[in-house]
Amino acid sequence: DAKTTQPPSMDCAEGRAANLPCNHSTISGNEYVYWYRQIHSQGPQYIIHGLKNNETNEMASLIITEDRKSSTLILPHATLRDTAVYYCIVRVGDMRFGAGTRLTVKP
Amino acid sequence: TAGITQAPTSQILAAGRSMTLRCTQDMRHNAMYWYRQDLGLGLRLIHYSNTAGTTGKGEVPDGYSVSRANTDDFPLTLASAVPSQTSVYFCASSDSWTGRLNTEAFFGQGTRLTVV
Repeated sequence: DAKTTQPPSMDCAEGRAANLPCNHSTISGNEYVYWYRQIHSQGPQYIIHGLKNNETNEMASLIITEDRKSSTLILPHATLRDTAVYYCIVRVGDMRFGAGTRLTVKP
Repeated sequence: TAGITQAPTSQILAAGRSMTLRCTQDMRHNAMYWYRQDLGLGLRLIHYSNTAGTTGKGEVPDGYSVSRANTDDFPLTLASAVPSQTSVYFCASSDSWTGRLNTEAFFGQGTRLTVV
């Protein structure tokens, strides 16, 4: 599976959009981009995934660049409950997590 | 709905003792995974199973063994625990191994293991 690079931490004001970047420059054609988050010490929670088209669900939007070498997770209106560690994973088979981005949403 | 269940929730274990962490899912998922998460760090894959009857090694398999006798259960065994195995252990499952379908993974609540 391709490796990913994410900033270690980010801050966001409550009510504003949170844009979390992920670099996956070695991604191969059949690997999907997945995003999970982990709140406190709970088990990770699935957010969204995509292959090459942009995706949106009730939680977030996923923007994948045309060359697929990077992506951005967008939380359109961040709340305090969105404070968590966000993981970007590219996978075909087993899931391997990196260090993720610690997002802090501030009042 | 149960989803994926881990037991025990927490355990203190003497070094050198053996222990099995249990994981059961009721979603009939094909793939299952075990991760460990050390304090302040990300999750690291220990072992996985892409279907009943098969298992594979992840990033940090040493000191751990798994079995997958049926679809629902994926126990993780520490044969002789050492203090460096102190960690939070998460089990997960997903419908498909390949990730091509909507194969979101579901995680258990974790088992907090302290080896003393």
